[in-house]
Amino acid sequence: QVQLVESGGTLVQPGRSLRLSCAASGFTVSDYDIHWVRQAPGKGLDWVAVLSSDAMDTFYADSVRGRFTVSGDFSRNRLILQMTSLMPEDTALYYCGRDRGGGLIDHWGQGTLVTVSS
Amino acid sequence: SYVLTQPPSVSVAPGKTATITCGGSNIGGKGVHWYQQKPGQAPVVVIHNDVDRSSGVPERFSGSNSGNTASLTISRVEAGDEAAYYCQVWGTGNHLIFGGGTELTVL
Repeated sequence: QVQLVESGGTLVQPGRSLRLSCAASGFTVSDYDIHWVRQAPGKGLDWVAVLSSDAMDTFYADSVRGRFTVSGDFSRNRLILQMTSLMPEDTALYYCGRDRGGGLIDHWGQGTLVTVSS
Repeated sequence: SYVLTQPPSVSVAPGKTATITCGGSNIGGKGVHWYQQKPGQAPVVVIHNDVDRSSGVPERFSGSNSGNTASLTISRVEAGDEAAYYCQVWGTGNHLIFGGGTELTVL
């Protein structure tokens, strides 16, 4: 069955970098657009970035553009979210999700927690 | 940038009908998806493309979208429906736009 598993979240100091992974099973990552969506503690859903199915296009929220980079590691059927210059406001549970089409996220991972604090 | 507005909270007695609104400029021209999120869990899509129920979602859940307002209606509300509900549309540049979320409380 379709499954997404995020990993890599941890406590990190402001200004440092972190790499998150989104491992997929039950489908081929390169066949779908895959989004990253985050949720700060007690807050709502906040779209972060997307990697298009052909990996030719990436789009980012204004709040992370220039600091975050999403890429595909298709040999391992996974996505990578490289985060740099982290700020306390980046503290959140980071989800990856498969876009079935039209921006519909039909499968979500369980999330990985990133805490940015000194 | 495009903004979706939801009421922060809706309360309803068991067995009654709950309606959660999602306001946006000409949202009727966009496809709206609705997600349910229970505490400690990832979101799950309940309604997609305005009116289509996802597999396994009870018929009590329905959606509509017209003009500047999309709505999620839950009939005969049960305690298990208590959750946060988010509307979402697909924006330009392939990005996703979420509403702020509505906490549904079953009294």
